[in-house]
Amino acid sequence: DAGVIQSPRHEVTEMGQEVTLRCKPISGHDYLFWYRQTMMRGLELLIYFNNNVPIDDSGMPEDRFSAKMPNASFSTLKIQPSEPRDSAVYFCASSRGRIRNTEAFFGQGTRLTVV
Amino acid sequence: GENVEQHPSTLSVQEGDSAVIKCTYSDSASNYFPWYKQELGKGPQLIIDIRSNVGEKKDQRIAVTLNKTAKHFSLHITETQPEDSAVYFCAAPSRGSGGGADGLTFGKGTHLIIQP
Repeated sequence: DAGVIQSPRHEVTEMGQEVTLRCKPISGHDYLFWYRQTMMRGLELLIYFNNNVPIDDSGMPEDRFSAKMPNASFSTLKIQPSEPRDSAVYFCASSRGRIRNTEAFFGQGTRLTVV
Repeated sequence: GENVEQHPSTLSVQEGDSAVIKCTYSDSASNYFPWYKQELGKGPQLIIDIRSNVGEKKDQRIAVTLNKTAKHFSLHITETQPEDSAVYFCAAPSRGSGGGADGLTFGKGTHLIIQP
């Protein structure tokens, strides 16, 4: 398996623009997580899905952020409108089963820069 | 929700020496404590984990210890090598306000530098 695949790897956009980050989890994994990494706040859990259903989105910072998982092999994280403080590395991770029982596999991340 | 504190933020050791990274957690119900290693430009990768029914676990040069009473756990790397240079994160199961408990709350990370 190629692992968790994220695209794009780098994204530079202007403030106010819509940004969409994409993730393909490992086949057969039933949990999908979106994390944000910054120097100040470290790795923050934004939202996670189980069997394509959002379970906990309490980490989503604002209504400008939304995430979807239309099927088992694809998820998106959208920011609309984007702001400079959204600049960070966004990671997608997936696991087979509950995180307390198994390993989470991370993608290589999308580095987002909002200017 | 869970709060995970990690120290130190930066650790520099001579090649061949040992490195120790420490974490504390707040939720006494937490029962799973993984450690992740993140190399430059990559996502975090699990290197070892421990569950609350054991006090120590070893895997070659890496070991993790857990003290449930004090709510702290540590990562020990012996005979450090240049390829051990990376950022290390401890974690514990998170308990979000949305009710889910299947994410991970990570510490802020430790940048381990192995000096040749």
